[in-house]
Amino acid sequence: DTAVSQTPKYLVTQMGNDKSIKCEQNLGHDTMYWYKQDSKKFLKIMFSYNNKELIINETVPNRFSPKSPDKAHLNLHINSLELGDSAVYFCASSHRGGRDEQFFGPGTRLTVL
Amino acid sequence: AQKITQTQPGMFVQEKEAVTLDCTYDTSDPSYGLFWYKQPSSGEMIFLIYQGSYDQQNATEGRYSLNFQKARKSANLVISASQLGDSAMYFCAMRGEGSNYKLTFGKGTLLTVNP
Repeated sequence: DTAVSQTPKYLVTQMGNDKSIKCEQNLGHDTMYWYKQDSKKFLKIMFSYNNKELIINETVPNRFSPKSPDKAHLNLHINSLELGDSAVYFCASSHRGGRDEQFFGPGTRLTVL
Repeated sequence: AQKITQTQPGMFVQEKEAVTLDCTYDTSDPSYGLFWYKQPSSGEMIFLIYQGSYDQQNATEGRYSLNFQKARKSANLVISASQLGDSAMYFCAMRGEGSNYKLTFGKGTLLTVNP
C-alpha cells in the first residue's frame, strides 16, 4: 500500500551513461514532482507535471528529461551522466494542482563514478 | 521569488523538553502555504504540519505546533515533549500561488535529542 514509490532505491553508474528513475503514486493525485537533494541536504525542485502537462521546469540541464505517461507515473531520464549529478532524487505528488501537501517517495540515491 | 531561511544548522534538546526550530520566509504572493518536513537518517521525507497564510489559528498536529507570525514572516516549529525518535533533519518549506505551487525549501536544521 505504498503511496509514492521509486525505483531503483540505489543507482551506481559510470560517467557518460544514461539512466532512468521511475516513480509511481497510488494516491490519485494530479500533480507530481522531481526534487534533487545535494550532498549538503539542500532540496530543490526540478520538474512538476499536472495531469501529464509540464508546469514547472527549473534551470536543469537538458540532459534531464522527465516523462509522464499518465497521472500516476513520472519518470526521470538522465543522459550522459556527470559526477555532479550524484545526489538523492525524490519524487513527490500532491492533489489539487499542488495546493495540498506533497507526499514524497523514499528517494533514489544516484552515485556517478 | 520565494525564500526560506533556517538560521539554526543544528539544535540540541533534552528528552521530554520542548524545542523551537526557526523559520523565516519572504514572498510577494498574497496567498501562500508553509510546511514542515522531517527527514530522519533513513532518508525519507515526512510531512509534519501545514499553515495557510490566511489561517486564523496556528496549526497543531499532536506534539507539533507551528508558531505563525505573519507580520514577522516567521513560521517556527515547536516540538513538545521531545523524544529520541525526533532526532532528524527538519525542513521548512513554502508554496506560493505565483510559482505553480512549487515548494521552496530552507537549508534545514539538524535536531539532536539527548537522553
